[in-house]
Amino acid sequence: QQQVKQSPQSLIVQKGGISIINCAYENTAFDYFPWYQQFPGKGPALLIAIRPDVSEKKEGRFTISFNKSAKQFSLHIMDSQPGDSATYFCAARSPMKTSYDKVIFGPGTSLSVIP
Amino acid sequence: NAGVTQTPKFRVLKTGQSMTLLCAQDMNHEYMYWYRQDPGMGLRLIHYSVGEGTTAKGEVPDGYNVSRLKKQNFLLGLESAAPSQTSVYFCAAARDRHLPLHFGNGTRLTVT
Repeated sequence: QQQVKQSPQSLIVQKGGISIINCAYENTAFDYFPWYQQFPGKGPALLIAIRPDVSEKKEGRFTISFNKSAKQFSLHIMDSQPGDSATYFCAARSPMKTSYDKVIFGPGTSLSVIP
Repeated sequence: NAGVTQTPKFRVLKTGQSMTLLCAQDMNHEYMYWYRQDPGMGLRLIHYSVGEGTTAKGEVPDGYNVSRLKKQNFLLGLESAAPSQTSVYFCAAARDRHLPLHFGNGTRLTVT
């Protein structure tokens, strides 16, 4: 129940196309859903995040769509560029009664945008 | 303003050797974390700290120890390295429990 499933494992998109990465969860207590972007040799960096009371959030070419009833959320990258080639991790936060809110990461999606 | 800095960047150990990974942050954040990243498994939390002098276990703490003697530093120790500890280790810091996480650039550790 603490898992976050992510698909696809890898994705190849042509420049200018739309990249779509999907995530699913079971725990309805999750209250915050961030996406992290990781370039080779670097640490992950927060890309965009959403709370479950919002169905969509857009920041530039990046959009999160959130379906609370289906317990699914997805990242859409519009007009994909070669510079977007990276590994993307979805994550979910479970508030705990301890001092630490547990963050569960998906396994990651390797995106390659080809010219 | 470097953010989160990890040293070393690469290390090769023989089974049974020990080492310490250093994480330093200049953001004055209270929360610090150690994660390991393995292919197809995302990031898994090893240990974390909610402030100077405090540490706590995460999801995969066995074989690791940590210390947070100063607010800006979080050390991860391997007392007797095993091949299963071959991984990329990331340190992260957060202002408080509400995220986001600011990650360092990782330490790639190979245990032979």
